[in-house]
Amino acid sequence: DAGVIQSPRHEVTEMGQEVTLRCKPISGHDYLFWYRQTMMRGLELLIYFNNNVPIDDSGMPEDRFSAKMPNASFSTLKIQPSEPRDSAVYFCASSLYSVVPTGELFFGEGSRLTVL
Amino acid sequence: DAKTTQPPSMDCAEGRAANLPCNHSTISGNEYVYWYRQIHSQGPQYIIHGLKNNETNEMASLIITEDRKSSTLILPHATLRDTAVYYCIVRAPNAGNMLTFGGGTRLMVKP
Repeated sequence: DAGVIQSPRHEVTEMGQEVTLRCKPISGHDYLFWYRQTMMRGLELLIYFNNNVPIDDSGMPEDRFSAKMPNASFSTLKIQPSEPRDSAVYFCASSLYSVVPTGELFFGEGSRLTVL
Repeated sequence: DAKTTQPPSMDCAEGRAANLPCNHSTISGNEYVYWYRQIHSQGPQYIIHGLKNNETNEMASLIITEDRKSSTLILPHATLRDTAVYYCIVRAPNAGNMLTFGGGTRLMVKP
């Protein structure tokens, strides 16, 4: 399996522009997570989906952020308009529910966003 | 989920065992202990998890105290490639599959 695939790996944009980050989870996984990592705040959970349905979006910073999962193999995280404080590495992760917890979240390699 | 406390950083000599402690004194009876690590600029990677028994896999061993208020991750023969941030996380099975990451321990393996 190719693992969790994220794109783009690097994005540099100017303040006010729209940014779209993409994620393809591991086939068959029913959970998908978006995390953000900064030096100041560490790894923060933004939102997660179960069977394509958003379960908890309490970590989404504000209305400028939105996430969708139109099908089991694709998710997007959109920032509109972007601001310099959104600069971070955004990770997508997926996992498969198991009655006996396995604990394994599989992370992508991240999308490094720089907003100038 | 219970909160965890880890030392911010540790050093270990290459080839020696690295013992990374984690305190989770408020852990509940059904909460599992998970360990992940993050090598520089990569996504976090699962290492091991356990409920109350000690666990071992090809990467590491997890020792959980009898009262479950603390645990230790053991890398038996640390290599330079084990240099990473190690996260100890406690989570209940009914919390979905989500994980909340704290600050972790930055392990530096030195030659």
